[in-house]
Amino acid sequence: NFMLTQPHSVSESPGKTVTISCTGSSGSIASNYVQWYQQRPGSAPTTVIYEDNQRPSGVPDRFSGSIDSSSNSASLTISGLKTEDEADYYCQSYDSSNAVFGGGTQLTVL
Amino acid sequence: EVQLVESGGGLVQPGRSLRLSCAASGFTFDDYAMHWVRQAPGKGLEWVSGISWNSGSIGYADSVKGRFTISRDNAKNSLYLQMNSLRAEDTALYYCAKDYGDIVATIGIHYWGQGTLVTVSS
Repeated sequence: NFMLTQPHSVSESPGKTVTISCTGSSGSIASNYVQWYQQRPGSAPTTVIYEDNQRPSGVPDRFSGSIDSSSNSASLTISGLKTEDEADYYCQSYDSSNAVFGGGTQLTVL
Repeated sequence: EVQLVESGGGLVQPGRSLRLSCAASGFTFDDYAMHWVRQAPGKGLEWVSGISWNSGSIGYADSVKGRFTISRDNAKNSLYLQMNSLRAEDTALYYCAKDYGDIVATIGIHYWGQGTLVTVSS
């Protein structure tokens, strides 16, 4: 079964840039769109990136997404980190007709 | 404003059934695919099931296949999840979610509800 692997946790200082990776277990991650979701403690998830690199309205341009076919991975980059960015981040793609989530990455901004 | 309001969660014994509902508003419901996603306490997100705009395409996670049934009533702007033969490992917060597109497995989730809690325990 297709799996998406994310680092368990990352941390960075306010104002800096952080990149969260999401690596596909097989096939080509570029074959299906990758989405990224943010989940703050005690809240429902929200979408921060869809279709690999598109931002929903209201999401600041500090958030960006990309695909690297050579490493079969997707990345979420957050620049100019703010304390409000501290949250869990999940990548998501598809395996045939089924959605697959990564295990999530806890971002600490300290 | 898009609103997704889940209901039907609660405490249920193992082996019993439960039906979740999701009332949608603020968008043209029958233009979009819909999903159920769950999150066990302290764990990550797990996709449960998805259904296309016209119910013509449906998918299930292996963990629920044969036990759960997703359906929708476009006339009532509602999404449902019939859960049978419930197990302790089905205990989770169940989110209703709206897709960007009209069929499953193309784009991804746009909006999320606040979730309804299902607890399976004797």
